[in-house]
Amino acid sequence: DAGVTQSPTHLIKTRGQQVTLRCSPKSGHDTVSWYQQALGQGPQFIFQYYEEEERQRGNFPDRFSGHQFPNYSSELNVNALLLGDSALYLCASSSRGETIQETQYFGPGTRLLVL
Amino acid sequence: AQSVTQLDSQVPVFEEAPVELRCNYSSSVSVYLFWYVQYPNQGLQLLLKYLSGSTLVKGINGFEAEFNKSQTSFHLRKPSVHISDTAEYFCAVSRSANFGNEKLTFGTGTRLTIIP
Repeated sequence: DAGVTQSPTHLIKTRGQQVTLRCSPKSGHDTVSWYQQALGQGPQFIFQYYEEEERQRGNFPDRFSGHQFPNYSSELNVNALLLGDSALYLCASSSRGETIQETQYFGPGTRLLVL
Repeated sequence: AQSVTQLDSQVPVFEEAPVELRCNYSSSVSVYLFWYVQYPNQGLQLLLKYLSGSTLVKGINGFEAEFNKSQTSFHLRKPSVHISDTAEYFCAVSRSANFGNEKLTFGTGTRLTIIP
């Protein structure tokens, strides 16, 4: 059973460009959350998708947007990249509405470098 | 809103010695607490979680943590560390027991370095 997968593993962009990161959730999961982990910091919640809609959003500007597809996979899009967007982007999948024992499973992340 | 504080950014420990990584939280509501580990160039792996019941929680790789409501703490411990425990450790909180739809709030992490 494959866990959470993310692509690409690494990416280099220049300021002002746009980037798309992809995530496939763990089998059986229907909810995808995205986190940004800047160097030396803990992950920060960006947003969460369920039933192809954004359900929750953290304190991130509109330059950050996302999408969820019918097969539950998800994309994170960042427009007008800034140097400060350089970070490890983590995807976590979970099963909404499940029991208290359910938890979020994290992917290996995509490391984005903005030059 | 809830927050998490990990006071120690780096903790060096000799191999086979005990270790404690500190975590304090603040919240106006009941929270659920987690410890995650991040090995170099990898994502996050759940070590253990506190939901309710016994305040002493046992996790994987010999780690355990104790929930202390009066001190709002959830410190992580291991009686004897190994080289393979070298990693970044993150404490996190969630407001909801339904983790499928609740975001996690993380601390800034503690880098554990094991000295041979």
